[in-house]
Order: sequence, then C-alpha cells, then structure tokens
Amino acid sequence: DAGVTQSPTHLIKTRGQQVTLRCSPKSGHDTVSWYQQALGQGPQFIFQYYEEEERQRGNFPDRFSGHQFPNYSSELNVNALLLGDSALYLCASSQGIRTNEKLFFGSGTQLSVL
Amino acid sequence: QKEVEQDPGPLSVPEGAIVSLNCTYSNSAFQYFMWYRQYSRKGPELLMYTYSSGNKEDGRFTAQVDKSSKYISLFIRDSQPSDSATYLCAMSERPNNAGNMLTFGGGTRLMVKP
Repeated sequence: DAGVTQSPTHLIKTRGQQVTLRCSPKSGHDTVSWYQQALGQGPQFIFQYYEEEERQRGNFPDRFSGHQFPNYSSELNVNALLLGDSALYLCASSQGIRTNEKLFFGSGTQLSVL
Repeated sequence: QKEVEQDPGPLSVPEGAIVSLNCTYSNSAFQYFMWYRQYSRKGPELLMYTYSSGNKEDGRFTAQVDKSSKYISLFIRDSQPSDSATYLCAMSERPNNAGNMLTFGGGTRLMVKP
C-alpha cells in the first residue's frame, strides 16, 4: 500500500520564479492538505483540498495556490518566490475532511530559493 | 505567544532511559491530540492519536492529555538510539466538516545515546 508520495524531492529556484509541487495521496484517501515547514520549526498549515475545492486556508498569501484533480492528487503552486519561501513542503492526506480524521504525511519537497 | 508551545531541546538521554516530552497550548477548542516523529529530511510519522483527556498506551509509548491544564505529554520507555528524532505535538479542534487543520508545536529534538 503506497503512502503519500511527493515530487520532486528537491528543487532549487531563484527569487521571482514560480514553482509547482505535486502530491499523490495514500490509497483510499480523498483529502489533501499542504504544510510548510521552515528549518527548525513545526509544520504550518497552508490549505486543504476536498472534492476538488479549497476547503480551508491558513495564513498564507495569494501567491500560494493549489489544485486537486479528480483522482485526488494535488498540486501546490507558489508564484513570485521569495527567499523566505525556502522550506520543506509537506503534503498530508486523509480519508474525509472531518476534524477527527488522521493525517498521514509524505516525505516532502525541499525547496531552496536563491 | 504561539498557540502550541514545545521545548525545542535538544534532549539527550542514555539508552534505556524513560523520556518525557511535553506541549502546552492555549486554545481550549482543541479536542484531538497527536504526536508525530520526524527523522531528518523526512515527513512526520503519526505515533499516537488521542481524543480529549486521558491516557493512551501503545507499546513503549504513552500519551497523556490534561485538558484542564492545557498540557499534553508523550512518554517513551526503554528508549533506543533509533528513537533519536524530532517529536512534534499537533492538535485540532472539535469535529466539523470544515476541515481538519492541524496546529503543530515547534518540535523537540531527542538524542538517545548508546
């Protein structure tokens, strides 16, 4: 049973560029959340997708956008990259959207902005 | 003040010791409490999941929740070098259909020395 898979594993971009990160949820899961984890910090919630719609959003600017596809996979897009966007980007999936559903994380995409 | 506070450590213990990891929080709406383990350059792995106050045991791990004090703990018995990782506490609010955003602590780095 494949867990949550993310691609790419590492990415280097320069300021002002745009980036797209991809996530495939765990088998049987239909909800995808994205988190940003800065070095030495805990993950911070970016947004969550369910039924191809953004259902909940954290305190992140509109430069961060996403999409969920009919097969439940998801993309995170970040425009106009800033140095401060350098972080580990984590995707988490769950079965359903209710608060008591357990989240399972992928290994993340390490984004470096130069 | 952050919603969830966690001592960053590092916490260094000898192999076989009992480890106590703790988090405090300020949001009384939190009902679900989790502990994740994160190895270097990996995604968080769900260790323990508890609802409301009380204790839960799973092998060498025991999670405790004291909602009256807004304090949660994770105990690791007979600690092993393979337990060396960062431990993250995470919490979410009452069950609802609006989403299951997790709020994380900053993580405690644990080192178990042989």
